[in-house]
Amino acid sequence: AQKITQTQPGMFVQEKEAVTLDCTYDTSDQSYGLFWYKQPSSGEMIFLIYQGSYDEQNATEGRYSLNFQKARKSANLVISASQLGDSAMYFCAMREGRGANSKLTFGKGITLSVRP
Amino acid sequence: NAGVTQTPKFRILKIGQSMTLQCTQDMNHNYMYWYRQDPGMGLKLIYYSVGAGITDKGEVPNGYNVSRSTTEDFPLRLELAAPSQTSVYFCASSYLTTYNSPLHFGNGTRLTVT
Repeated sequence: AQKITQTQPGMFVQEKEAVTLDCTYDTSDQSYGLFWYKQPSSGEMIFLIYQGSYDEQNATEGRYSLNFQKARKSANLVISASQLGDSAMYFCAMREGRGANSKLTFGKGITLSVRP
Repeated sequence: NAGVTQTPKFRILKIGQSMTLQCTQDMNHNYMYWYRQDPGMGLKLIYYSVGAGITDKGEVPNGYNVSRSTTEDFPLRLELAAPSQTSVYFCASSYLTTYNSPLHFGNGTRLTVT
């Protein structure tokens, strides 16, 4: 079974509107972290936001927030007031447990296009 | 503050050639990783290292080798390049191996094998 599932096809949003990018995950660990990365067309991987499994409040970082629903195992990224520069590929990732085996597992990504 | 630096940025190899992708970080991170990204796919782990002298296989290690002689450097070696190794390669590092520690990525190396 896939650990991280991102099934949305390419997403489109009008500039200045909000958009939600979906992510579901699968783990039996109690301790895990969920991460979102942005990959613009230039190719680099940019860390956006983190949510821990024990965090009771949704994480926020500027225009990014994470809608964390633990019981449903979902960790959706919400981008408010979209900008043209938000056009990129977005990856959801999960890191489980501790120690040397704690590695980051990625979903396949979602392409977001912001329309002017 | 350079972070994670990868060289080269682009490379074209002929089938059967070999090359080394360089990765260095200046954050004094013990933990380093090599991922590959194929079109339309997420990143898959090739090898990782928890410190100088210690390396281990990830999900897709076949056709690759690594070494970690210093904390800063984690080169990835391709022997006998094959078209299936055409990909974008990312090196990353993290301060800890706990679940709340993000990875910091280099800018990637785009490799084409023809």
